Amino acid sequence: EPEVTQTPSHQVTQMGQEVILRCVPISNHLYFYWYRQILGQKVEFLVSFYNNEISEKSEIFDDQFSVERPDGSNFTLKIRSTKLEDSAMYFCASSPTRGSPRYTFGSGTRLTVV
Amino acid sequence: GQQLNQSPQSMFIQEGEDVSMNCTSSSIFNTWLWYKQDPGEGPVLLIALYKAGELTSNGRLTAQFGITRKDSFLNISASIPSDVGIYFCAGLTTNYGGATNKLIFGTGTLLAVQP
Repeated sequence: EPEVTQTPSHQVTQMGQEVILRCVPISNHLYFYWYRQILGQKVEFLVSFYNNEISEKSEIFDDQFSVERPDGSNFTLKIRSTKLEDSAMYFCASSPTRGSPRYTFGSGTRLTVV
Repeated sequence: GQQLNQSPQSMFIQEGEDVSMNCTSSSIFNTWLWYKQDPGEGPVLLIALYKAGELTSNGRLTAQFGITRKDSFLNISASIPSDVGIYFCAGLTTNYGGATNKLIFGTGTLLAVQP
């Protein structure tokens, strides 16, 4: 079964530092997403990405956040200057077609900002 | 904004029991999904519902999409210990003429199964 791979599984960073979370989506998928889940809370949409540009972003995805697909396989989320409230699980997901509900989620990166 | 509320928040049951959980929305969704999340893992899709009133099964799981498209239930029959986890409903929204979509997740139901 194809998987979405995320690295690292856990990252601890100091407040104010930049972090890059990495994802390798399923190879023939065209739509990519980042979601986050603060501990004990629901999963929240951050951003969707298609054809090398952002399709939609939420209010959470402010100027401190950016996404990039630097090559044909990786999809990254950068947080420029981390805040304590950025501590959460960050999930990457991909889907094969625009309207498909069949997202495949990665196992997540647990980001802890201290 | 769009909100999905799930009930109950948590359930503690004995192995072999049947389980039912609900999800209600403040707005209409055209596609409704149920996910399971194991500890330390990402959500895994269990069932997708596309039509109002649709009843769909996946093994011991059965889900129905409400007629109004604003609610759904998920039933698990004959629960087993590996059913433990958090169950999320999610509505799929499409925007900008279908150019993009995203999932709006519910608040989750924690299921614990006693062997």
